Amino acid sequence: DAGITQSPRHKVTETGTPVTLRCHQTENHRYMYWYRQDPGHGLRLIHYSYGVKDTDKGEVSDGYSVSRSKTEDFLLTLESATSSQTSVYFCAISERGRGGGTDTQYFGPGTRLTVL
Amino acid sequence: SQELEQSPQSLIVQEGKNLTINCTSSKTLYGLYWYKQKYGEGLIFLMMLQKGGEEKSHEKITAKLDEKKQQSSLHITASQPSHAGIYLCVPNTGNQFYFGTGTSLTVIP
Repeated sequence: DAGITQSPRHKVTETGTPVTLRCHQTENHRYMYWYRQDPGHGLRLIHYSYGVKDTDKGEVSDGYSVSRSKTEDFLLTLESATSSQTSVYFCAISERGRGGGTDTQYFGPGTRLTVL
Repeated sequence: SQELEQSPQSLIVQEGKNLTINCTSSKTLYGLYWYKQKYGEGLIFLMMLQKGGEEKSHEKITAKLDEKKQQSSLHITASQPSHAGIYLCVPNTGNQFYFGTGTSLTVIP
């Protein structure tokens, strides 16, 4: 199993509060991704990173920001959480990424976030 | 955009039975990934197919990609309760992954 952990695994917060989710990998993979999964939808890409301090937006990036200061850590921040951001968030990693022949993505266990 | 149809959407089988899940793309695939997701958990990578006509097996699960690289099937032999979950075929168009809602498999003991 790929060494990917996410923290916290569960979080309940109130509308308007900031929230940061952390993804940590021990595989030294270059690419990291944040997805959200909602009922009736497949996983949707929020942001991804192709290296330290190199990030780009996915299809549902509004209301989210990311940072990657170290290869092993990729943080997802909700600056001011809203109820529409209640979801399950998954982190994924891959050795290669977009444009260069996307490689297999390995997923973390997920974080269940509830915004009241 | 990538148009991908996976069927059936849900499947209920008796333990020990064989089953097949199909995946059809409107475009030629650079690659096709099969994942499994247990309820409430993350996605588990099963297999990746890239070459036309390729077939791979892992334990009792076999996946095939047709010669035109537009259709794939995943076959489970002698299903077990541990096979239950959501199976997703994920196309790689060379640019990004597209995730659908998959096939929900229930195996009745």
